[in-house]
Amino acid sequence: DIQMTQSPSSLSASVGDRVTITCRAGQHIRNILNWYQHKPGKAPKLLIYSASTLQSGVPSRFSGSGSGTDFTLTISSLQPEDFATYYCQQSYTTPYTFGQGTEVEIK
Amino acid sequence: QVQLQESGPGLVKPSQTLSLTCTVSGGSISSSTHYWSWIRQRPGKGLEWIGYIYFSGSTNYNPSLKSRVTMSVDTSKNHFSLKVTSVTAADTAVYYCARETPLYTNSPGFFDYWGQGTLVTVSS
Repeated sequence: DIQMTQSPSSLSASVGDRVTITCRAGQHIRNILNWYQHKPGKAPKLLIYSASTLQSGVPSRFSGSGSGTDFTLTISSLQPEDFATYYCQQSYTTPYTFGQGTEVEIK
Repeated sequence: QVQLQESGPGLVKPSQTLSLTCTVSGGSISSSTHYWSWIRQRPGKGLEWIGYIYFSGSTNYNPSLKSRVTMSVDTSKNHFSLKVTSVTAADTAVYYCARETPLYTNSPGFFDYWGQGTLVTVSS
């Protein structure tokens, strides 16, 4: 299985802050990397696919980058509705695997 | 707008079989484009992909659960199902169904629609 490692596991930030979350894959996965936002009691929401493509309807303050083994999700200006847990996921090969999550909390 | 909704018992006894159904609305499960997955989140843990099924009935399971998992699809009811046999407390989790859309034909993809999840507790 391809291990996905996110950092940090949690962070505290203020509205308006720039937030960066990293995801490292245990082997090269080209750009086959997706990012999701998850709020308690709700369905996870796709933010970015293919490492850097913004899903339709997702605000442009979200962006993704990276290729190979190292990837980044950036929120350029954190908004109140962005407080959630974020997961990366590889679909390069099955079994698909997710990072352990990064919880973004209000400072 | 595509919607997915999980349903099934919230409590299952140890050693019994967990059975869940995911009903799809706003789109056809018979689409040749999409794959239909089950994903779970155990308490305090991250997301774990269980496997997927295609409308034709072909499946791909996570090897960690393969010996205990069966997925099926009913195109007439526009739903797909999950069975996990011989459950233990370690199978207690929120179970999600999700639609996978490939980037292009026969390629990797992403989960673009998810259900809200259903909590299944394994306990006597």
